[in-house]
Amino acid sequence: SQQGEEDPQALSIQEGENATMNCSYKTSINNLQWYRQNSGRGLVHLILIRSNEREKHSGRLRVTLDTSKKSSSLLITASRAADTASYFCAYGYSGTYKYIFGTGTRLKVLA
Amino acid sequence: DAGITQSPRYKITETGRQVTLMCHQTWSHSYMFWYRQDLGHGLRLIYYSAAADITDKGEVPDGYVVSRSKTENFPLTLESATRSQTSVYFCASAGSDGAFFGQGTRLTVV
Repeated sequence: SQQGEEDPQALSIQEGENATMNCSYKTSINNLQWYRQNSGRGLVHLILIRSNEREKHSGRLRVTLDTSKKSSSLLITASRAADTASYFCAYGYSGTYKYIFGTGTRLKVLA
Repeated sequence: DAGITQSPRYKITETGRQVTLMCHQTWSHSYMFWYRQDLGHGLRLIYYSAAADITDKGEVPDGYVVSRSKTENFPLTLESATRSQTSVYFCASAGSDGAFFGQGTRLTVV
């Protein structure tokens, strides 16, 4: 399967704690993106990191990319109950914008 | 409004019928995609298109047909719907700034 893998599959934390999710992929990529999906809703684009970047920040989100290990991580700091959602990574094959998704991490933030 | 829109949002159809899901984007992105999302499988790529008149298979193309006569439209057709095609379908378009999704179409095949 071309599908990337994310771990953990599920994560439950207390409000205010940090949440870290990891994504591994199998090929050379142009970029990697992270998305959030609330239950029964569409996918919201969170952040894109290009293959020549190692770290990127957006508000409470921090994404890292290690192309040598073919992996990325998403850190959400000071989590809130509203962060409860599924998070997916998607990577674009080198030379194309063909995007393959990871299996997702279900995050639950307890108030 | 700029963005990507899918129609219909919900559809119930019978086994064996043909059904077409529509997707329209206003960004002039060259790439467009169709994914299906099922419990336990995440999002799986059905077909994608790099430009008008250029389409290619993704991970799960069987039973689906696509066309792309115009850059902005990318319809997905189920030629003879089966119950295994009950799913939520997402269309996306992508450029250098990333891939962006429509709100999804929930399709039920009875």
